[in-house]
Amino acid sequence: GAGVSQSPRYKVAKRGQDVALRCDPISGHVSLFWYQQALGQGPEFLTYFQNEAQLDKSGLPSDRFFAERPEGSVSTLKIQRTQQEDSAVYLCASRTGGPLTGELFFGEGSRLTVL
Amino acid sequence: AQRVTQPEKLLSVFKGAPVELKCNYSYSGSPELFWYVQYSRQRLQLLLRHISRESIKGFTADLNKGETSFHLKKPFAQEEDSAMYYCALPNFGNEKLTFGTGTRLTIIP
Repeated sequence: GAGVSQSPRYKVAKRGQDVALRCDPISGHVSLFWYQQALGQGPEFLTYFQNEAQLDKSGLPSDRFFAERPEGSVSTLKIQRTQQEDSAVYLCASRTGGPLTGELFFGEGSRLTVL
Repeated sequence: AQRVTQPEKLLSVFKGAPVELKCNYSYSGSPELFWYVQYSRQRLQLLLRHISRESIKGFTADLNKGETSFHLKKPFAQEEDSAMYYCALPNFGNEKLTFGTGTRLTIIP
């Protein structure tokens, strides 16, 4: 396919609204990651899936953040009751292979602005 | 806790001059590091990884355990090297990558 696809590319939300960000990984990639990138910062890990199993969610900043990958392909990151500090670019990446030999393929990101 | 530090937010270099992008890490084990790059209007992508001991687009990076560094080097800068560069460190025992804050490299024609 064309690579990792994310939608929407841009989202403006009023504080308190819920948002859902979608990631369509490269076909056949078992591993899927979500990262959050604030302005002027590097990407920060949020959560990791292996197929449909969420194996690590230690980076989710609060219980307002929820991610799922029910059929082991498309993933959704949901943010409830958005706050201004949630404004960031949310990056999805998929990978085949292990953490040292595999390569993360990133999407273009979803830029969330919370007003 | 492991950490990756990129001390320069911005770096400008003349075309044809050598480039060195600094990366220092804090890690208790034997690290394996990566450099990722984001060109203008493109997505973040892998440039090179220490485990492969490779040279990509003329760039190399040597792991110096004594100085806890993994600086990215290129002997002669080209205009197409202008981009945002991130150093990244995998966590031992899990799948996380810890990224530095990045260095924006600008090559002056």
